[in-house]
Amino acid sequence: DAGVTQSPTHLIKTRGQQVTLRCSPKSGHDTVSWYQQALGQGPQFIFQYYEEEERQRGNFPDRFSGHQFPNYSSELNVNALLLGDSALYLCASRYRGSTGELFFGEGSRLTVL
Amino acid sequence: AQKITQTQPGMFVQEKEAVTLDCTYDTSDPSYGLFWYKQPSSGEMIFLIYQGSYDQQNATEGRYSLNFQKARKSANLVISASQLGDSAMYFCAMREGNEGYDYKLSFGAGTTVTVRA
Repeated sequence: DAGVTQSPTHLIKTRGQQVTLRCSPKSGHDTVSWYQQALGQGPQFIFQYYEEEERQRGNFPDRFSGHQFPNYSSELNVNALLLGDSALYLCASRYRGSTGELFFGEGSRLTVL
Repeated sequence: AQKITQTQPGMFVQEKEAVTLDCTYDTSDPSYGLFWYKQPSSGEMIFLIYQGSYDQQNATEGRYSLNFQKARKSANLVISASQLGDSAMYFCAMREGNEGYDYKLSFGAGTTVTVRA
């Protein structure tokens, strides 16, 4: 049973560019959330998707947007990249009716130069 | 205000000994959940243990146990019989609100554990 898978694992962009990160949830899961983890810090919640709609959003600017597809997979898009966007981006999935455990992927490490 | 506080940036523990990682939390919601995750250098967040606010007994999962003191708002993780593979960053996190609904996790800053042979 595949867990949460993310792609790409590493990528390098320059300031002002745009990036798309992808996530496939664990089988049977219908809810996907994204977290940003800067170096040496704990993850910060970006947003959560369920039924292809954004359900909750953290304190992130509109440059951060997302999408959930009918097969429950998800994308995170970041426009107009800043140096401060360099971080590990973690995707997590769960079944909405579950007891609450979130399963995380290994993340996409973004470096902005 | 910080919702999750982990005051130990780093800890060293001898192999086969136990180690306690501190976590205090702040919430006014009567329904919440507390999680501990392990993050090795690969980056993946590995779920270790969960404690619901209404659970009467402390949670245990193998070598991991959670010392839940509700009145003190603390949820310390105890790792017994440490192994070299336990060397990693450990995060305490909290979910506010009811299970099964839309929620987010608030994470602490983490504690780095290094197990010595």
